[in-house]
Amino acid sequence: DQQVKQNSPSLSVQEGRISILNCDYTNSMFDYFLWYKKYPAEGPTFLISISSIKDKNEDGRFTVFLNKSAKHLSLHIVPSQPGDSAVYFCAALSGSARQLTFGSGTQLTVLP
Amino acid sequence: EPEVTQTPSHQVTQMGQEVILRCVPISNHLYFYWYRQILGQKVEFLVSFYNNEISEKSEIFDDQFSVERPDGSNFTLKIRSTKLEDSAMYFCASRGGEKLFFGSGTQLSVL
Repeated sequence: DQQVKQNSPSLSVQEGRISILNCDYTNSMFDYFLWYKKYPAEGPTFLISISSIKDKNEDGRFTVFLNKSAKHLSLHIVPSQPGDSAVYFCAALSGSARQLTFGSGTQLTVLP
Repeated sequence: EPEVTQTPSHQVTQMGQEVILRCVPISNHLYFYWYRQILGQKVEFLVSFYNNEISEKSEIFDDQFSVERPDGSNFTLKIRSTKLEDSAMYFCASRGGEKLFFGSGTQLSVL
C-alpha cells in the first residue's frame, strides 16, 4: 500500500540548474508534508515542510509546492549544487501520533 | 543544535539473540519514534511513544519488539529473538512541533 509515491528513483542535474523532485500521495488524511535529505549511513535530515493549507513554502534555494487537488507535491532546488547530491524522501504526517509515511526516495545527483 | 543520538552505530548478532538499540531523543521533545530501513527499501514506521506508552504501532511491530523509556533521557527498542529479516538500519526520531528529527541510525546485522 504505497500511500506516498516517488516515481523517479533517480535524477541527474547539471550544477547551477534547477532540480525538481516529485511526490504523489493517495491518503486525503495527510495534512502536513515534509522533505528529508539522506546521505548513506546517516539518518534522514529535515529539509523543508508544508502544511496542507498552503500551496507553497520557500526556504533559501528550496521551495516546496503542494497541489492538493492533484495530491501532488514537488521540491525545487535552485541553483543545484554538487553538495545537494543525496537521496531525497518525501514524507507525510497523519494520525494522532503524527507518524511519518515515507516515499521510496529519489537519488539526486548534481553534476559539476 | 540539539540532536537525536543513537548507540551503537553497528550491531551484529546471532539469530535468536536479544538486542537492545538505544536512543537519546532531543530533551524537550515528548513524542518518540522508531523506524527502520531494510537495504534498498523504504523507511518504515515501527512505533510511536508518548507519555510512557505506545501511541501507535505498525504491523511490523509484533510481539518480539518492545520499547521502553527507562529513565528521563533514554528510549530503547528491544528485539527479543532476532530473525534474519530483522537486519536493517533502525532510526530513532523525536518530534518537535510537526517536524521529526532523526538519529544517525543503528545498522543491525543478524547472522
